[in-house]
Amino acid sequence: DTAVSQTPKYLVTQMGNDKSIKCEQNLGHDTMYWYKQDSKKFLKIMFSYNNKELIINETVPNRFSPKSPDKAHLNLHINSLELGDSAVYFCASSHIRAGEQYFGPGTRLTVT
Amino acid sequence: AQSVAQPEDQVNVAEGNPLTVKCTYSVSGNPYLFWYVQYPNRGLQFLLKYITGDNLVKGSYGFEAEFNKSQTSFHLKKPSALVSDSALYFCAVRVPNSGNTPLVFGKGTRLSVIA
Repeated sequence: DTAVSQTPKYLVTQMGNDKSIKCEQNLGHDTMYWYKQDSKKFLKIMFSYNNKELIINETVPNRFSPKSPDKAHLNLHINSLELGDSAVYFCASSHIRAGEQYFGPGTRLTVT
Repeated sequence: AQSVAQPEDQVNVAEGNPLTVKCTYSVSGNPYLFWYVQYPNRGLQFLLKYITGDNLVKGSYGFEAEFNKSQTSFHLKKPSALVSDSALYFCAVRVPNSGNTPLVFGKGTRLSVIA
């Protein structure tokens, strides 16, 4: 009964490929997020969706496109992968007016 | 703009000793403050939060944090450290009622508890 789950856990791919990461939460939250954690462990928000609508879109290349088919799912599609995209990507969820967010286990993306 | 500073990259403490991981923040309103812990190859786990009320907040695994408005600090503490507390700790801030602002995280502090 994992609260926030992500697939895959590891993703190794070559430059130029397109890949997707899936996220699902069963907490009944109305808001979901994607974060990127770089090699220095710095965490930065990428996107946030509330009730399937995009509400936060930080300075992220257009190659990154989030999609939220319903409140419980937020997927991240990345086109034309680059070496600099290598990182750990975390999905999280919360109630929009609440404080704490709950994080998934992360997806380690390695672009070669 | 809101920001969080964790001045120490690394904190070393002997098992059984008290530990403190420092955090200061900068916001233009009343903050919501959080501590998260990240174990190796794992996601972030929520430890505790300050929203309002008592300045001393108690959280998971025996951790607590004290909100100090005058010093704009929210230091994480534990009276007696365990080796299993060794992990990466993140402080985060959010300003409520300010639209859809996300959590802003500090850069993290690595805690090493030595047996």
